Amino acid sequence: DVKVTQSSRYLVKRTGEKVFLECVQDMDHENMFWYRQDPGLGLRLIYFSYDVKMKEKGDIPEGYSVSREKKERFSLILESASTNQTSMYLCASSFDRAIEAFFGQGTRLTVV
Amino acid sequence: DQQVKQNSPSLSVQEGRISILNCDYTNSMFDYFLWYKKYPAEGPTFLISISSIKDKNEDGRFTVFLNKSAKHLSLHIVPSQPGDSAVYFCAANFGNEKLTFGTGTRLTIIP
Repeated sequence: DVKVTQSSRYLVKRTGEKVFLECVQDMDHENMFWYRQDPGLGLRLIYFSYDVKMKEKGDIPEGYSVSREKKERFSLILESASTNQTSMYLCASSFDRAIEAFFGQGTRLTVV
Repeated sequence: DQQVKQNSPSLSVQEGRISILNCDYTNSMFDYFLWYKKYPAEGPTFLISISSIKDKNEDGRFTVFLNKSAKHLSLHIVPSQPGDSAVYFCAANFGNEKLTFGTGTRLTIIP
């Protein structure tokens, strides 16, 4: 069974903290993605990676960075958390960028 | 610039009836379209897809229709069941590019 695992289901962080969201996939997929989901805005792509150590900006990369040191792991970093980064964060992976992506269960991040 | 739009944020349908979810897109280069279903506190799961060379794809109770000239696709669920209550996202892409998602439609099936 395909599996994408996000390290936390719920997180509460303080404004200004550095936050790490971890994602691991066990399907040997080349492509990994970070999205955030907000009411009325759907899923917006933050960053994606096509290979180890490769990264590309998505539609809303400001305030975020990523790390992909190993093929199976893709980390999203909030350099200095702000309240407008309170959201549901979703990690996904895919064999081919053009076909279905498999999602993790999501991390609900609250920045206070 | 929202290239994939789901203009109905919510939809309520009686159990057993047909649910029709709509999606419009603006980028004529899109050639592959997908529907995802999302329950609260879970990640989206893939439901059904269609390539631009087709105008219909069926999988059990789910059928996706594509009208390229209108840049419109729809998802039909027949018959609707309580377990279908979820948020549905359409997504599109072209070539080997990343998926672009719509804003989602919350479907509620009324028993």
